[in-house]
Amino acid sequence: DVKVTQSSRYLVKRTGEKVFLECVQDMDHENMFWYRQDPGLGLRLIYFSYDVKMKEKGDIPEGYSVSREKKERFSLILESASTNQTSMYLCASSLPPGYEQYFGPGTRLTVT
Amino acid sequence: GIQVEQSPPDLILQEGANSTLRCNFSDSVNNLQWFHQNPWGQLINLFYIPSGTKQNGRLSATTVATERYSLLYISSSQTTDSGVYFCITGGFKTIFGAGTRLFVKA
Repeated sequence: DVKVTQSSRYLVKRTGEKVFLECVQDMDHENMFWYRQDPGLGLRLIYFSYDVKMKEKGDIPEGYSVSREKKERFSLILESASTNQTSMYLCASSLPPGYEQYFGPGTRLTVT
Repeated sequence: GIQVEQSPPDLILQEGANSTLRCNFSDSVNNLQWFHQNPWGQLINLFYIPSGTKQNGRLSATTVATERYSLLYISSSQTTDSGVYFCITGGFKTIFGAGTRLFVKA
């Protein structure tokens, strides 16, 4: 079974803090994704990565950066957290694009 | 870009009832997935179904790629089926439907 894990289920941070969200997959997938989910806005793609050290912006990259130093790990970084980044963050991985995606359990981030 | 529309947006069922959820896409696609998002937010893979029909227990799905739609059938619904059902397509830039929110009453 493919397993995608995320470092925290719930996280509370203060405005201005630097926040790291970690995602690890155990199936040697090439592609990894970060999404955020907000009521009324659905799921939106923040960044994706198709190989180690490779990344591409998604639909809403502003205020975020990512890091992929190892194939199995994809990190989302909020350089200076703001209240409008309070959201559910979901990580996913897949084989080549268009193949089946597998999601982690999600991190509910609250920025106060 | 491709648009994905799901219907109905909301559905309330009595336990034991059957239902059909629909996903329409505006252009031809070569991949399609159905997910169930449970009340805790976890997205659970149901089917990867770019075409044809698949079945898994009480759930089945059919994609007719030439007519640009996919259907998810839930039979003998249970309260644990409650949640939001999404269809998605796309390559790197995943395209999500808005979801169907299902509530199954005991």
